[in-house]
Amino acid sequence: GAVVSQHPSRVICKSGTSVKIECRSLDFQATTMFWYRQFPKQSLMLMATSNEGSKATYEQGVEKDKFLINHASLTLSTLTVTSAHPEDSSFYICSATLSGASARMQFFGPGTRLTVL
Amino acid sequence: QKEVEQNSGPLSVPEGAIASLNCTYSDRGSQSFFWYRQYSGKSPELIMFIYSNGDKEDGRFTAQLNKASQYVSLLIRDSQPSDSATYLCAVLKSNYQLIWGAGTKLIIKP
Repeated sequence: GAVVSQHPSRVICKSGTSVKIECRSLDFQATTMFWYRQFPKQSLMLMATSNEGSKATYEQGVEKDKFLINHASLTLSTLTVTSAHPEDSSFYICSATLSGASARMQFFGPGTRLTVL
Repeated sequence: QKEVEQNSGPLSVPEGAIASLNCTYSDRGSQSFFWYRQYSGKSPELIMFIYSNGDKEDGRFTAQLNKASQYVSLLIRDSQPSDSATYLCAVLKSNYQLIWGAGTKLIIKP
């Protein structure tokens, strides 16, 4: 149980284009999803917290107009990197939590490796 | 002072030995603690979680929590080469966000 998928797993795009990454909880309803970014040899950096049906909460320094997050249902959250640039190249990972007491645990998707040329 | 601190390593352990990974945290009110394993190029995988003082065992893994001293550790018995990875310690905040340590790179030598 508690499986989270991400799509695509890898994407290469040209500078200036937009890229959408999907995060799905396959066998549970996720009240909260988190989006992280990880650069090589660094730890996870939380970008935003996404609750179903409400606006995402962005961490300090993360541009909400550049990283658009939509959490339209309890099983799907999307991250759109708008007008991507080479410095946005990174490993993007989502996680999802269950509701109630189990909300303490985060289950991670496999990640999306974005390369912007 | 970082909220969650780990020695970055690498920690090198012979195959079959016990690997001991440590983590300290600054918020004395923290209640929930997690150990994740991350292989290179992959996303984190939950290994253990612990909420109460003392030891919690799951197979070859034992998590230890000492709230008075504000540290949490992970022991891996009978270490295998497949245990070689980066181990991330995480502490839960009241808003369900995780505060992450920088991770300890563990190398199990055959």
